[in-house]
Amino acid sequence: KNQVEQSPQSLIILEGKNCTLQCNYTVSPFSNLRWYKQDTGRGPVSLTIMTFSENTKSNGRYTATLDADTKQSSLHITASQLSDSASYICVVSGGSDSWGKFQFGAGTQVVVTP
Amino acid sequence: DAGVTQSPTHLIKTRGQQVTLRCSPKSGHDTVSWYQQALGQGPQFIFQYYEEEERQRGNFPDRFSGHQFPNYSSELNVNALLLGDSALYLCASSFTNYGYTFGSGTRLTVV
Repeated sequence: KNQVEQSPQSLIILEGKNCTLQCNYTVSPFSNLRWYKQDTGRGPVSLTIMTFSENTKSNGRYTATLDADTKQSSLHITASQLSDSASYICVVSGGSDSWGKFQFGAGTQVVVTP
Repeated sequence: DAGVTQSPTHLIKTRGQQVTLRCSPKSGHDTVSWYQQALGQGPQFIFQYYEEEERQRGNFPDRFSGHQFPNYSSELNVNALLLGDSALYLCASSFTNYGYTFGSGTRLTVV
């Protein structure tokens, strides 16, 4: 069973609108949670990284939240642009001996339409 | 400053063949991790190299092997290719456990 579950699987939004992506995880112990943006056929690009003590982090129009108690995170995209069309992947790292051994979600495919 | 460079970008191999993929880490990075990403799925951890040794490994068979060179670059070798090995192979470099940066990947198609 995947330890990182994302929802929705895909979504279509109009340019200029906001959207929120969800990530639930069961990885334990927990070290940090990252959100990546991946364009088709390209490598993932980091958007945010949050540790246990951080509740929110922003990167431009992207805002990530983390509730370590409920093991939930969200990524909010504000005023979407056509260039936001991509897969957004939630990645959780657990334990001090888990270098690079990330648990990846399957991603949410976002399509922004004019 | 060059980021993570992977080669080749695309590759087509026949079932049963062997393949070698290459990764040059970002300047200043000393650790290389490899991932396999099937279409529509999140990446899966294959293994990680640090100080020229395999530091840890995911749930992949021994057909998957690797190497890290003194200049921190790395190779991923896959023997006896199966159709199911078709995927995007991603390399990520880091400085120990910090600053993970992904390359654009190598698209491997096994026919």
